[in-house]
Amino acid sequence: NAGVMQNPRHLVRRRGQEARLRCSPMKGHSHVYWYRQLPEEGLKFMVYLQKENIIDESGMPKERFSAEFPKEGPSILRIQQVVRGDSAAYFCASSPPDRAYEQYFGPGTRLTVT
Amino acid sequence: RKEVEQDPGPFNVPEGATVAFNCTYSNSASQSFFWYRQDCRKEPKLLMSVYSSGNEDGRFTAQLNRASQYISLLIRDSKLSDSATYLCVVNPKQTGNQFYFGTGTSLTVIP
Repeated sequence: NAGVMQNPRHLVRRRGQEARLRCSPMKGHSHVYWYRQLPEEGLKFMVYLQKENIIDESGMPKERFSAEFPKEGPSILRIQQVVRGDSAAYFCASSPPDRAYEQYFGPGTRLTVT
Repeated sequence: RKEVEQDPGPFNVPEGATVAFNCTYSNSASQSFFWYRQDCRKEPKLLMSVYSSGNEDGRFTAQLNRASQYISLLIRDSKLSDSATYLCVVNPKQTGNQFYFGTGTSLTVIP
């Protein structure tokens, strides 16, 4: 059973470009969470999604950031017009529907904005 | 006030030592508690859940004190492979399934 998969593992973007981060949850998991980890800081919750629904986006910046989890395919975290402050590790986690409190993390995408 | 607070350390201990980490949380209604381990530049991995009655998994013991709102992790007989950052995690539940992470406590076990 493959774990949570994220790609790309490393992403470099220039200021003003768009970043697209992908997350495929573990097989059988229908809940997806995105977290951001800034250097020397703890993980910060961004958004919680189920298939085709955003359940909680209270941690998502109001502008430039969006997330989706379509019926088919991976969850996508999209950052438009990136700025240097967006440089961070972005982790995706998934959990099974009957044990939503167990979150398993992917290897993360390290975004560097130059 | 932060949702979850941890002493960042670092804790440098010799092999075989016993080391304890504490963590405090601010939301008294929090329902679920966990310890995760994160190796350098890797993803967090679930170490253990923390139950009110306390729980033990091999050399690791976790305790929860709801009255004082703190969680502890005890590691006995430290191994070199225990070197990592230990993250205290709280799920307030009533706000959904988002987790609140502490900034982590760094442990280095020295030969």
